[in-house]
Amino acid sequence: DTEVTQTPKHLVMGMTNKKSLKCEQHMGHRAMYWYKQKAKKPPELMFVYSYEKLSINESVPSRFSPECPNSSLLNLHLHALQPEDSALYLCASSQSGLAGFEQYFGPGTRLTVT
Amino acid sequence: AQTVTQSQPEMSVQEAETVTLSCTYDTSESDYYLFWYKQPPSRQMILVIRQEAYKQQNATENRFSVNFQKAAKSFSLKISDSQLGDAAMYFCAYIRGNLIFGKGTKLSVKP
Repeated sequence: DTEVTQTPKHLVMGMTNKKSLKCEQHMGHRAMYWYKQKAKKPPELMFVYSYEKLSINESVPSRFSPECPNSSLLNLHLHALQPEDSALYLCASSQSGLAGFEQYFGPGTRLTVT
Repeated sequence: AQTVTQSQPEMSVQEAETVTLSCTYDTSESDYYLFWYKQPPSRQMILVIRQEAYKQQNATENRFSVNFQKAAKSFSLKISDSQLGDAAMYFCAYIRGNLIFGKGTKLSVKP
């Protein structure tokens, strides 16, 4: 099973709302990632969790707050977002955070901020 | 800093024909990995093929193969017998620490 699942598929939220994106994998992977992808652009790395600890934060604004409750789950809490935060948010996982292990991506959450 | 360049924003191929997507990268490392990912309009990013830099042999996966030229820092993807389902955005990616993507090539397949 090489599946990474993400919920919800679509999300529309106002700038004052608080919402969360969820990602789940059952492949026993120990590294999980959040990416942001704008239309016709490559994914941009936001956060990396390795062994349930935040290892990389690519200078992401504090209105995005990641959480890794256990090795299978990854959340992204959203608060006071801006319209420019509208994008496809992709979750990925890999066997390890070390180089060489391919990342498996989920289908993404299409976020629209109004 | 590592960079990945895909010089073809868009490509088109006739069904059943062969197409080659180009990718070059810049790195001072000797040990790294390269990937091609496919992202169809349905948006799920799928790994197509992987190449270890220490391996001279070019990777192949069914109709997909790469031409890896380490000295030239070139990593092109060849798709043989193109099918309608191959239409997608293709991203070349380099990894040593984090995954670094090229800007992508949009491939259209004409019936």
